[in-house]
Amino acid sequence: GQQVMQIPQYQHVQEGEDFTTYCNSSTTLSNIQWYKQRPGGHPVFLIQLVKSGEVKKQKRLTFQFGEAKKNSSLHITATQTTDVGTYFCAGSEGNEKLTFGTGTRLTIIP
Amino acid sequence: DTGVSQDPRHKITKRGQNVTFRCDPISEHNRLYWYRQTLGQGPEFLTYFQNEAQLEKSRLLSDRFSAERPKGSFSTLEIQRTEQGDSAMYLCASSLYQGYGYTFGSGTRLTVV
Repeated sequence: GQQVMQIPQYQHVQEGEDFTTYCNSSTTLSNIQWYKQRPGGHPVFLIQLVKSGEVKKQKRLTFQFGEAKKNSSLHITATQTTDVGTYFCAGSEGNEKLTFGTGTRLTIIP
Repeated sequence: DTGVSQDPRHKITKRGQNVTFRCDPISEHNRLYWYRQTLGQGPEFLTYFQNEAQLEKSRLLSDRFSAERPKGSFSTLEIQRTEQGDSAMYLCASSLYQGYGYTFGSGTRLTVV
């Protein structure tokens, strides 16, 4: 079955440093979504990427979808304490089911 | 509040008991999903409804699990003869159409003792 892996599993950064998480799928995806889950909270939708090679930005967050539509990345510039949480990618093969990645937990050192 | 509501927030049950959880999706959303999340893991797909029709079930969903969505509105997830391995956060989500981002509820945390 489809597997979605993320690296790293954990990332500790000083406030103001950049952060990147990488997502890799075992199968070609029709689209990929990114979610953020704060400690003790539930996943919150951030963005969806659909096109091969697509790049989208949300303020300090930059999302990329690979050319082969099997990988994606999320880059945060100049992290802030509000960025703390676990970031999940979630891929779809074209059906209704989203397969979530293993997540990258980001902690910020003030 | 127009978000996704789940009830109860927490449930502690003895092994072997049956439990039922409820999810009220965003009213305009015809798609409803159940996921399970254990500590340190990503959400795992359990099942999905489009309106009242249950269109897909995960192999994770043993015959002890059943989900319904009567009239295409709220949904219930029942676990019969609970086992300790069922302890997890059960998340419900809804979406407007295929490919639309999910809106998750706050989840029901189940602890089987």
